[in-house]
Amino acid sequence: DTGVSQDPRHKITKRGQNVTFRCDPISEHNRLYWYRQTLGQGPEFLTYFQNEAQLEKSRLLSDRFSAERPKGSFSTLEIQRTEQGDSAMYLCASSLPGQGFGEQFFGPGTRLTVL
Amino acid sequence: RKEVEQDPGPFNVPEGATVAFNCTYSNSASQSFFWYRQDCRKEPKLLMSVYSSGNEDGRFTAQLNRASQYISLLIRDSKLSDSATYLCVVNERTNAGKSTFGDGTTLTVKP
Repeated sequence: DTGVSQDPRHKITKRGQNVTFRCDPISEHNRLYWYRQTLGQGPEFLTYFQNEAQLEKSRLLSDRFSAERPKGSFSTLEIQRTEQGDSAMYLCASSLPGQGFGEQFFGPGTRLTVL
Repeated sequence: RKEVEQDPGPFNVPEGATVAFNCTYSNSASQSFFWYRQDCRKEPKLLMSVYSSGNEDGRFTAQLNRASQYISLLIRDSKLSDSATYLCVVNERTNAGKSTFGDGTTLTVKP
């Protein structure tokens, strides 16, 4: 399977714990995005990487959220001191470099439940 | 007010019907526009880009009206397999960066 993969697919944690999610983009894609989606809402932009550089981050993202893409390949999203409001589907997407915005290919997501 | 607004529906239509979805956006500087489709419990997938001149892909037609900050999607001859949530996506840039998704319009096509 050469699509975007995310790990884990499901995570249940207790409030106050830290969690980390991983995203492996399609291999030749240098652009990587993180989104959060809750039931009945569209994906909400969190952050964007081009290669290893984090070029944009949502103003809505609290300091508890951090993302990295150290070698320009896979990316991790960490949430510290989780809160119940963090419960959501966390989606990763990647796209090819080049002219135009380009199609974003989404992974299957990591569903986070904070108890 | 949300940056990208869509009528949530649901739209329940019979097979063969024509259905139209609308989307409005608030940022007049927006540069690129798309429609994505999301099936229940699945990830979004690109349906089509939206160009100022309008574009058509089979039974699907997308239109953009920059003056009114309005995007539309028309589906002709609806199929059962068209049942999904359709997400309007607006981007501030032409090449990369923040994408703003609407909350989607749900379509159910019935036999």
